[in-house]
Amino acid sequence: GAVVSQHPSRVICKSGTSVKIECRSLDFQATTMFWYRQFPKQSLMLMATSNEGSKATYEQGVEKDKFLINHASLTLSTLTVTSAHPEDSSFYICSATGLAGTNEQFFGPGTRLTVL
Amino acid sequence: RKEVEQDPGPFNVPEGATVAFNCTYSNSASQSFFWYRQDCRKEPKLLMSVYSSGNEDGRFTAQLNRASQYISLLIRDSKLSDSATYLCVVTNQHGQNFVFGPGTRLSVLP
Repeated sequence: GAVVSQHPSRVICKSGTSVKIECRSLDFQATTMFWYRQFPKQSLMLMATSNEGSKATYEQGVEKDKFLINHASLTLSTLTVTSAHPEDSSFYICSATGLAGTNEQFFGPGTRLTVL
Repeated sequence: RKEVEQDPGPFNVPEGATVAFNCTYSNSASQSFFWYRQDCRKEPKLLMSVYSSGNEDGRFTAQLNRASQYISLLIRDSKLSDSATYLCVVTNQHGQNFVFGPGTRLSVLP
């Protein structure tokens, strides 16, 4: 099967700091990666879609200058939460597509961000 | 109207029960449909894709009604391990961009 990893799995930081989250496809080339955010007791909300080598497409209401996405290779995408504030505390999950023969999205294990 | 809506839940059922979840979607051009399950504080995991002809995987049966824009999931002989939140997922007309429903929480009780 296709495996997607995320790092770190959990991060606690002070308000105002920036946090980088990595998403890697371990055994396939991910043509597209997606970043989601999930608040407690709510469903996943798509933040942005990124294709390797091009700028990410952000969903309405998501600040591109606050959530910087880089998709530099077919196996790695990063999300940087700049100047994080307590309201950014959430569960951030990435997913990837690109495995031949399916449009299934394979999800990473998520990163739990807590901003104090 | 939300793009994807699901039964609000929660569903609390005894082991061995049969339980059905419903999901409706607003984009008539949606191409692909899935059921995912999500355990607490974990990532979603694909349970099954949903095909127009309906499909079954062991104790799980999924149905799609494009005319009514409706998807269902039936779980027979519920197990304790089925306890999770079940997410209905719909794609756009190109089969990309997943839209998640709010989820329906299931608790299977001993």
